[in-house]
Amino acid sequence: SAVISQKPSRDICQRGTSLTIQCQVDSQVTMMFWYRQQPGQSLTLIATANQGSEATYESGFVIDKFPISRPNLTFSTLTVSNMSPEDSSIYLCSVEGLAGVYYNEQFFGPGTRLTVL
Amino acid sequence: SQQGEEDPQALSIQEGENATMNCSYKTSINNLQWYRQNSGRGLVHLILIRSNEREKHSGRLRVTLDTSKKSSSLLITASRAADTASYFCATDEGGGSNYKLTFGKGTLLTVNP
Repeated sequence: SAVISQKPSRDICQRGTSLTIQCQVDSQVTMMFWYRQQPGQSLTLIATANQGSEATYESGFVIDKFPISRPNLTFSTLTVSNMSPEDSSIYLCSVEGLAGVYYNEQFFGPGTRLTVL
Repeated sequence: SQQGEEDPQALSIQEGENATMNCSYKTSINNLQWYRQNSGRGLVHLILIRSNEREKHSGRLRVTLDTSKKSSSLLITASRAADTASYFCATDEGGGSNYKLTFGKGTLLTVNP
C-alpha cells in the first residue's frame, strides 16, 4: 500500500479567496486523482493528474476553477479558486498504479475539509 | 453519473449481527472495490474483486460479484461497534489514461453496542 498525506487537513476560508491543497505520496505512482465529497454525499471525481501530461477534468469541472499541478511522481496540488460556500467539501487525493501495476486498489489520502464562509 | 448504487442507504444493527450491503452497476467492469469511511475522513480500501471472480473473503468480510446481474454484495459478519461507518462500492471504467473509479452513494452502517 501507499502512505498518502494531505495538507492542510482542514481550513476555513473567505469567499473569493483560493486554497491550494497538497498531496504527497511515499512512493512513485503514475496516476493520481482528485475527488470532492460534498456534505453527506459520495465522492465525485474532479480530475485525473498524470505526471508529464495535462490534467484530465470530468464533466462539470474546469481548469480555471480547479487548477492542478503534478510536478513529479510523488506530489500533486489542487487549487480551489475564487471560492464560494458551495465549494465547502472534503477534497481527497488518491493514487493508483503502485510499482507500475494497474487496475488495482486506489489508495486515498486523509482528505482536506474545506469550509468557505 | 454514478455507476455504483448501494442499498440500503442506511442500516442499523446490533453488535454481533451480520450486515449485508448491496451494490448495482450499469456497465461492464474490470473490477469492483469496497471502501469504508469513518465520519468524513479518508477512505480505507477493504477489498477488490475482479470481474472473473465470484467471491472473495478477507477476515470478517465476504464480497460476492454477479456480473450477469451487475451486482455485488458486502457481508460483514459478527459486527462490532467499530464497524460503524459509511461503506462505498466503486467500479472502474475505461483503461489506460482513461482509467477512473466511479463511486456509489454509499450505505451508512450503524452498529449499536
